[in-house]
Amino acid sequence: DIQLTQSPSFLSASVGDRVTITCRASQGISSYLAWYQQKPGKAPKLLIYAASTLQSGVPSRFSGSGSGTEFTLTISSLQPEDFATYYCQQLNSYPRTFGQGTRLEIK
Amino acid sequence: EVQLVESGGGLVQPGGSLRLSCAASGFTFSDYWMHWLRQAPGKGLVWVSRINSDESSTIYADSVKGRFTITRDNAKNTLYLQMNSLRAEDTAVYYCARPRRGDYLDNWGQGTLVTVS
Repeated sequence: DIQLTQSPSFLSASVGDRVTITCRASQGISSYLAWYQQKPGKAPKLLIYAASTLQSGVPSRFSGSGSGTEFTLTISSLQPEDFATYYCQQLNSYPRTFGQGTRLEIK
Repeated sequence: EVQLVESGGGLVQPGGSLRLSCAASGFTFSDYWMHWLRQAPGKGLVWVSRINSDESSTIYADSVKGRFTITRDNAKNTLYLQMNSLRAEDTAVYYCARPRRGDYLDNWGQGTLVTVS
């Protein structure tokens, strides 16, 4: 199975900050990576697919990059509604696997 | 508008069975693969199973293989997950999800809680 490791696991930041979350895969997955945002008690929401393509309706302050084994999710200027947990998921092979999550909290 | 509504969760004893349903609307259900995922309380997301559009292909996580069965009824626009031999570690919120092209999960239900105790 492909392991995904996110860093950091916890991030404290302020409104307006630029933040970056990294997702590393245990083997190459080309660009078959998605990023999701999840708020407490809610289902995950797709933000980025194919490593760098913004899902329709997602604000442009979110961006993704990377290929192979290293990927990043960047939020250019944090807004209050962005404080949530973020997960990466690989779609290169089954079983589909997720990173352990990055919890983004208000400083 | 795409809607996915899970039901069938609840409290069950270890070794018991439960069948989850996911009622789909707002899209042509028979055109899409469908997935089940789960999330234990306070934990991360875990993919459970996927079924293709005509039910000819299914795949499972190792942790549920041989105990869970994914099926669908395209006439009823409903996805199912039959869960047998339930264990405490199966306790989780179970989500159904519909992928967009490329299998990225762009529509999720609200989830249904299964508690094995």
